[in-house]
Amino acid sequence: DQQVKQNSPSLSVQEGRISILNCDYTNSMFDYFLWYKKYPAEGPTFLISISSIKDKNEDGRFTVFLNKSAKHLSLHIVPSQPGDSAVYFCAAVQAGTALIFGKGTTLSVSS
Amino acid sequence: DTAVSQTPKYLVTQMGNDKSIKCEQNLGHDTMYWYKQDSKKFLKIMFSYNNKELIINETVPNRFSPKSPDKAHLNLHINSLELGDSAVYFCASSQAGVGQPQHFGDGTRLSIL
Repeated sequence: DQQVKQNSPSLSVQEGRISILNCDYTNSMFDYFLWYKKYPAEGPTFLISISSIKDKNEDGRFTVFLNKSAKHLSLHIVPSQPGDSAVYFCAAVQAGTALIFGKGTTLSVSS
Repeated sequence: DTAVSQTPKYLVTQMGNDKSIKCEQNLGHDTMYWYKQDSKKFLKIMFSYNNKELIINETVPNRFSPKSPDKAHLNLHINSLELGDSAVYFCASSQAGVGQPQHFGDGTRLSIL
């Protein structure tokens, strides 16, 4: 049973607009949520994380929002750039256990 | 300067063979991991080591044996390879502590003929 779900396999956005990537989870005991970006033939690269006690974390063009009551988080990229085109993985972790990844969302940013 | 490096990048071999994948990190991290990304693109944890000690083993067949000679290295040995072992295997490392971001290698694509 998937504890971390990314229900949109793909997203297309125009350059300069906002990209919103969504992630749902089922385990209310998760302590941290992380977003990774992955280019083809490379390993995932850490982007941004958020603690379960926060509801927002911002780093440059990337902002993650956490809605614990809805068990939902989202990654906002503003403005989107063609170089942001990649697969984005949502991941979650509970203390003492392993990081659990979603299936990923492929973001395509067109110029 | 590569932070997490794994070799080889590609591995093509026949069923029944034994093979090893090596991983090294130069980040000074205490914790290292092996993940498997299957054909459905799920990234799943296989093993986690902290300071050379196994801390997570996620119901991986006994044919898979990780070895950590020191905290900068975590190698993966696979015996009697099966068709279902075809996947991309990623090594990663992090500082100890929940929520610490993991740094990944570029993966080893294993293909079983």
